[in-house]
Amino acid sequence: GQNIDQPTEMTATEGAIVQINCTYQTSGFNGLFWYQQHAGEAPTFLSYNVLDGLEEKGRFSSFLSRSKGYSYLLLKELQMKDSASYLCAVKDSNYQLIWGAGTKLIIKP
Amino acid sequence: GAVVSQHPSRVICKSGTSVKIECRSLDFQATTMFWYRQFPKQSLMLMATSNEGSKATYEQGVEKDKFLINHASLTLSTLTVTSAHPEDSSFYICSAPGAGVTEAFFGQGTRLTVV
Repeated sequence: GQNIDQPTEMTATEGAIVQINCTYQTSGFNGLFWYQQHAGEAPTFLSYNVLDGLEEKGRFSSFLSRSKGYSYLLLKELQMKDSASYLCAVKDSNYQLIWGAGTKLIIKP
Repeated sequence: GAVVSQHPSRVICKSGTSVKIECRSLDFQATTMFWYRQFPKQSLMLMATSNEGSKATYEQGVEKDKFLINHASLTLSTLTVTSAHPEDSSFYICSAPGAGVTEAFFGQGTRLTVV
C-alpha cells in the first residue's frame, strides 16, 4: 500500500529553526509537495521537489532524497504565524496526490 | 496561479436535510475535481473524483448515494450531502489538479455542521 509518515506534532520557539520530516512509500513518484494549513482553512502550497536536493524559498527550504523515500521541510526564523499544520504529499504514478496526516507545529514565544 | 472558488464557506443544516457545495474553477477549465473531507486533527481524505461529462469515481467506503457529485461543466463541480447526519459534520475541500507534476489548487473549504 501507499504510505506517508510525518510526526503528529512538534513544538518550537519563536526565532528558532525547525525541521519537519516526511517518509513515503508510494507506487511511483512524480514529485513531493509541502503545504501549510491553518485551522479551518484550505492548504496553501509551500514547495515542490522532484529531484534530489534542497530547494530554498525564503525562510522555508525543502529537501528530497528519492533513494531514501525521505523529505524534510526546514523553517527558519520562526514566527508566531507559522503555527499551523504542515502536510507532506506525494504524486504517485497516476499523478494522484497521496497525503500525509500532517504535522501540527506549535510556536512558543 | 489558478483560482478555485468554493461556496459556501460555512453551513449549518438540520439532520435529514441536504446541502450542496459548489466548486468553480475561475480562470481555467477543470475536467477533473477532487473532493476531500477532513475531520479535526486529521489529514485530507479523498472522497471522490469528479469528471466532467461522466460519473464520479468514489473511494472505498464513501456512499455514492449519500454524497452526490455532479460535474456538469468544465468550470463547475458540486457535492451534495443528502440526508445529512451529525456525523457528516466536517470540513469539505475541493481541489483541481495541476497538470502533470504541478501543484493542486484548492477551494477555500466548507465547514459543514449538522445539528
